[in-house]
Amino acid sequence: DTGVSQNPRHKITKRGQNVTFRCDPISEHNRLYWYRQTLGQGPEFLTYFQNEAQLEKSRLLSDRFSAERPKGSFSTLEIQRTEQGDSAMYLCASSRRGAINEKLFFGSGTQLSVL
Amino acid sequence: GIQVEQSPPDLILQEGANSTLRCNFSDSVNNLQWFHQNPWGQLINLFYIPSGTKQNGRLSATTVATERYSLLYISSSQTTDSGVYFCAGSTGTASKLTFGTGTRLQVTL
Repeated sequence: DTGVSQNPRHKITKRGQNVTFRCDPISEHNRLYWYRQTLGQGPEFLTYFQNEAQLEKSRLLSDRFSAERPKGSFSTLEIQRTEQGDSAMYLCASSRRGAINEKLFFGSGTQLSVL
Repeated sequence: GIQVEQSPPDLILQEGANSTLRCNFSDSVNNLQWFHQNPWGQLINLFYIPSGTKQNGRLSATTVATERYSLLYISSSQTTDSGVYFCAGSTGTASKLTFGTGTRLQVTL
C-alpha cells in the first residue's frame, strides 16, 4: 500500500510566475484534499474532491488558485501569478468515503518559496 | 467555522514519562482526528476518534463528544515521540478538518 505521493518536494519560483503541483492519492481513496501549512501553524483546508468532482473550496482559495482531478485519480494544484504570501507547505491528503473511520492520510508536501 | 484549542502549547518530557494533551472544540464535531507531525514535517494519522476511547500501543485517545473535548495520552514516552501533535475536527463527515495550533513535544534522554 503506497502512501500519498506529492511532487515536486520543493519549488522555488519568482513572484509572478505560475507553479503547478501534483498529488497521487492512495489508490482506493475516492476523496482527495489540499491543505496549506505555514510555519508554526496547523494545516488549513483549501479544497477537496470526491472522485473527479470538486465539492468544496475554502475562502482561502483565491481566483489565482485552481485545482483539478480530471479522472478521479491524481490531482494538480496550480497557482497563477504567485505572490510572496503564497510561500507555504502545500499538503495533499486522501481518504476513503464510506470507510468505517474516514482517516485522513497526508503526503510529504510541496514546500513553495516565492522570491 | 469551529475553533480548536490545544493545550499545552509546549511540553518537555524526559524519556519514560507520561503525558496528556488536550483539545477543546467550540462546536460539536462528527469527525475528529489526531496527528503527529514528525521533525521532518510528515503528518502521521494517529486516531480517528469522534467519540469514545481507542488505544494503539503506547498511545490512547478519549473523546467526550457531549463536552466537546478530546485527550491524547502518551505513556512511556520515547525520543521518537518528539514533534508536534495536532487535533483536528469537522462538523461534517468529510475530512474537511479545522486544525488546532498544536502541542510541541520534546522528549529528552
